Amino acid sequence: AQSVTQLGSHVSVSEGALVLLRCNYSSSVPPYLFWYVQYPNQGLQLLLKYTSAATLVKGINGFEAEFKKSETSFHLTKPSAHMSDAAEYFCAVSYTGRRALTFGSGTRLQVQP
Amino acid sequence: GAGVSQSPSNKVTEKGKDVELRCDPISGHTALYWYRQRLGQGLEFLIYFQGNSAPDKSGLPSDRFSAERTGESVSTLTIQRTQQEDSAVYLCASSLGTGDTEAFFGQGTRLTVV
Repeated sequence: AQSVTQLGSHVSVSEGALVLLRCNYSSSVPPYLFWYVQYPNQGLQLLLKYTSAATLVKGINGFEAEFKKSETSFHLTKPSAHMSDAAEYFCAVSYTGRRALTFGSGTRLQVQP
Repeated sequence: GAGVSQSPSNKVTEKGKDVELRCDPISGHTALYWYRQRLGQGLEFLIYFQGNSAPDKSGLPSDRFSAERTGESVSTLTIQRTQQEDSAVYLCASSLGTGDTEAFFGQGTRLTVV
């Protein structure tokens, strides 16, 4: 079965530090990969997505993610954390055809002043 | 409105009662998803509809849960004989299709079973 795994349910970084949130997928077919963000008391919104056009994907708010097929990974990064980045981040995978969008368990990012 | 609309936003119900949650997707979106998010946890897939195809019900946790969708419009998620473990935020999302298309989420319905 296809799935997505997020390593680390909680990540804490200092303001200005590098943000790295990990996501690995398992599938035998090419996936479409997404990162969604959920700010406190808000709905989920798309940060970025990988659709095979380019392996390095840039999203909103300075985030980017790199698709590495050899590592089956799609880690999310941001060079310098801001206090406003504190949120829950979800990695998700989808495929061509009649298959649902499947989410990882989420990573809560805390940014310390 | 232009986004996914869910109602009610909050629902408190007594154990054993039935509840119905509603989702209005974005017009023209053929795919519609229901997810459950328990406190502090990730999104648990429940069911999804794609056009006129039979829905994928593989995520429904028990036969107390059911969902309907009329064409490519409104969907209702029904939970019968609610239990305390059903307490969660129920999220609806819609998209133009599957694959690489973005899913747009509603604000969710917070269900509390007392």
